[in-house]
Amino acid sequence: QVQLQESGPGLVKPSETLSLTCTVSGGSISSYYWSWIRQPPGKGLEWIGTIYYSGSTNYNPSLKSRVTISVDTSKNQFSLKLSSLTAADTAVYYCARGKTYCPFWGQGTLVTVSS
Amino acid sequence: QSVLTQPPSASGTPGQRVTISCSGSSSNIGSNTVHWYQQLPGTAPKLLIYNSNQRPSGVPDRFSGSKSGTSASLAINGLQSEDEADYYCAAWDDSLNGQVFGGGAKLTVL
Repeated sequence: QVQLQESGPGLVKPSETLSLTCTVSGGSISSYYWSWIRQPPGKGLEWIGTIYYSGSTNYNPSLKSRVTISVDTSKNQFSLKLSSLTAADTAVYYCARGKTYCPFWGQGTLVTVSS
Repeated sequence: QSVLTQPPSASGTPGQRVTISCSGSSSNIGSNTVHWYQQLPGTAPKLLIYNSNQRPSGVPDRFSGSKSGTSASLAINGLQSEDEADYYCAAWDDSLNGQVFGGGAKLTVL
């Protein structure tokens, strides 16, 4: 069974850049699409972006200028960078496998943007 | 404001049938399949229905999905207390070139 685990800082300062990594175990990162999705406290889900194992990406237009998603097949990991953070970026960040739908999700990691 | 529209809440008594609606547009539900997620408190979303009416292995057949035009529905038969959760619809959006979600419906089992 594929398992995903997010890792990264839980607290980031405004204007700084968030960096999160998702480690995939129980299966190869190859031949699949991988996504980042976030959920502000008490609110709904928002798609951030998706990467294919080959490195091709597509991003939510509302975040595109601040987002970079990359993949490291040698480590079976993919990563998210989100720049110019504000309080509105405070959310639980999930990594997931899939493009149009996601059958496998990480447990999520809460990222708080605060000075 | 979510791209897909869901009622914020739904409720029912044990054993009852409950439906949750999801409305979209021609660029998402109208031209692509719909997926449903169940999110129990404090946990990650779990895929409940994919491709409008398919259930992943392990999902009880009490859960079913349907789609018509630019709308979709999730039906839960024989409601159980453990079904109390938030339910989200999702679809690919051809204009956005990405996934879009509904705002979520909180299901309460009375």
